[in-house]
Amino acid sequence: AQKITQTQPGMFVQEKEAVTLDCTYDTSDQSYGLFWYKQPSSGEMIFLIYQGSYDEQNATEGRYSLNFQKARKSANLVISASQLGDSAMYFCAMRALIQGAQKLVFGQGTRLTINP
Amino acid sequence: DTGVSQNPRHKITKRGQNVTFRCDPISEHNRLYWYRQTLGQGPEFLTYFQNEAQLEKSRLLSDRFSAERPKGSFSTLEIQRTEQGDSAMYLCASSLGRGQQGALNTEAFFGQGTRLTVV
Repeated sequence: AQKITQTQPGMFVQEKEAVTLDCTYDTSDQSYGLFWYKQPSSGEMIFLIYQGSYDEQNATEGRYSLNFQKARKSANLVISASQLGDSAMYFCAMRALIQGAQKLVFGQGTRLTINP
Repeated sequence: DTGVSQNPRHKITKRGQNVTFRCDPISEHNRLYWYRQTLGQGPEFLTYFQNEAQLEKSRLLSDRFSAERPKGSFSTLEIQRTEQGDSAMYLCASSLGRGQQGALNTEAFFGQGTRLTVV
């Protein structure tokens, strides 16, 4: 079974600082994908970044980068130059292909607060 | 097409009543998912459609829950005889999958959810 663990219930960061949100995962599959989503107070889940298990380079999307350490089974999200609008819940998720299963398994999330 | 649309956004119902939620996915997306999110938790998978076929159901989906996607476009999620434990945010997502399994990196686009409160 797949499991995602996010150990930081809340994070507080000063504006313009970088922040790292932790994510570890557990799976016996060789092929899987890792995602990060942002959920503002409006409720919508916004896709941020993707990392494939066979990707050799860490994924980057603008201010977001994913620190992928396969041997440690970790996929931490790094947000550079944080902005007030980054305040939200952040969820790490994993998708695996098992007999056609397509579900995403989410962690419990980290609430990020950016202070001015 | 501006994204995944869910209606209603909020629903308050009395225990024992039936409720139905609707999800309109992004038009060219053949895959549709329902998730449930309770306060302070991440979303939990409920069920998944490829076109009109319901391919997987979670054990969370009790007999009181039923989901349909009759023409492979919009989907409905019905909860019969609602209980207070059904209070949650119900999220719909869609994605574009190729073939039976598709690519792992196909991200799911989520709607804004329907918040259900059972009183």
